[in-house]
Amino acid sequence: GAVVSQHPSWVICKSGTSVKIECRSLDFQATTMFWYRQFPKQSLMLMATSNEGSKATYEQGVEKDKFLINHASLTLSTLTVTSAHPEDSSFYICSARIAGDRNEQFFGPGTRLTVL
Amino acid sequence: AQTVTQSQPEMSVQEAETVTLSCTYDTSESDYYLFWYKQPPSRQMILVIRQEAYKQQNATENRFSVNFQKAAKSFSLKISDSQLGDAAMYFCAYRSANFGNEKLTFGTGTRLTIIP
Repeated sequence: GAVVSQHPSWVICKSGTSVKIECRSLDFQATTMFWYRQFPKQSLMLMATSNEGSKATYEQGVEKDKFLINHASLTLSTLTVTSAHPEDSSFYICSARIAGDRNEQFFGPGTRLTVL
Repeated sequence: AQTVTQSQPEMSVQEAETVTLSCTYDTSESDYYLFWYKQPPSRQMILVIRQEAYKQQNATENRFSVNFQKAAKSFSLKISDSQLGDAAMYFCAYRSANFGNEKLTFGTGTRLTIIP
């Protein structure tokens, strides 16, 4: 149990286009999901916390108009990178917390974004 | 703000031997959680072990155990009987126990190599 999926697993896009990444909790309800960014050989940096039915909370330095987050249901959160540029190329990872359980986050397999 | 420091960018150990990965953290909170995550080449984050700060007893999970020193703000991971499958990046992470502040703060990671 406690499986989180991400789609797509990798994506290549042209500069200036928008890309949507989905994060789904497959066998549990997730009131809270988290979006992380990981540059090569670096650690995970939290971008934003996504709560079902409300606006996401962004970390300092993360542009909310560039990284749009929608958490429309208890099993799905989406991250849209708008007007992507090469510097947005990175590995994006989501995690989800089981509703009512504050102790553990379950991670998705990640999405590799390459912007040409 | 909380910080997590991993001072060993790389470690190596002979198969079947024991290795200890170091982690220190800084916080003004008294109640929190500490985690060790493993990230193999697949990039999937896997929870290795978890420690609640209010528990004095060190957590253990089969071959994995921690040495939690709350006063020293130290949280090391010991891997016994190292196996080839243990090769991965290991991240130490901190999470507040305060409701509404559930984000994970990660250290910079330690790359563990297992020598056959």
